[in-house]
Amino acid sequence: QAVVTQEPSLTVSPGGTVTLTCASSTGAVTSGHYPYWFQQKPGQAPRTLIYDTDKKQSWTPARFSGSLLGGKAALTLSGAQPEDEADYYCLFSNTGGGRVIGGGTKLTVL
Amino acid sequence: QVHLQESGPGLVKPSQTLSLTCTVSSGSVNSGNFYWNWIRQPAGKGLEWIGRIYTNGATFYSPSLRSRVTISVDTSKNQFSLKLNSVTVADTAMYYCVREPPGFWGQGTMVTVSS
Repeated sequence: QAVVTQEPSLTVSPGGTVTLTCASSTGAVTSGHYPYWFQQKPGQAPRTLIYDTDKKQSWTPARFSGSLLGGKAALTLSGAQPEDEADYYCLFSNTGGGRVIGGGTKLTVL
Repeated sequence: QVHLQESGPGLVKPSQTLSLTCTVSSGSVNSGNFYWNWIRQPAGKGLEWIGRIYTNGATFYSPSLRSRVTISVDTSKNQFSLKLNSVTVADTAMYYCVREPPGFWGQGTMVTVSS
């Protein structure tokens, strides 16, 4: 079973750009892993921002984008807003048809 | 947009079986190319993927929970369900149902394991 590694915490300045990444212990993350990115704010259910690497939900702000970067799944936030402060999780396919979720990144906008 | 709603007992005794249901609006649980997932989150901790069922009935489970988990579909009620047996206090968590793609989430239901 893959172990998924995310940055435990990141800080970005308002208006700044930050990239969150998601790495697999078993090798490069590819589009065939169908990576997802979830955002969770305190007291709320998670919501999906990105699915299948780079597809956006109808509610996903344009400042968020998904990609593959150096063998990892990546979520880039360009032009950070205070309301983007949240926990972010990635999910992707594991062996045998299962899924695995990363430990999450706590993003601070400061 | 698809709406998912979890339901089930909020309190389960240790060693008993946790049973939850996710009711799906808009669309059938046994049509389309979708995966119906269960994900949980203990208070103050990260998300944990439990398992999922495909529209053809194929199931996939987390290796750490596989021996205790069953996910199934009830097409007559347009629901899918989670059963987790032999629960302990470590199974206390918020439980979410999620449809992939594109990642529609329910609001979650809190389950506490306690005597």
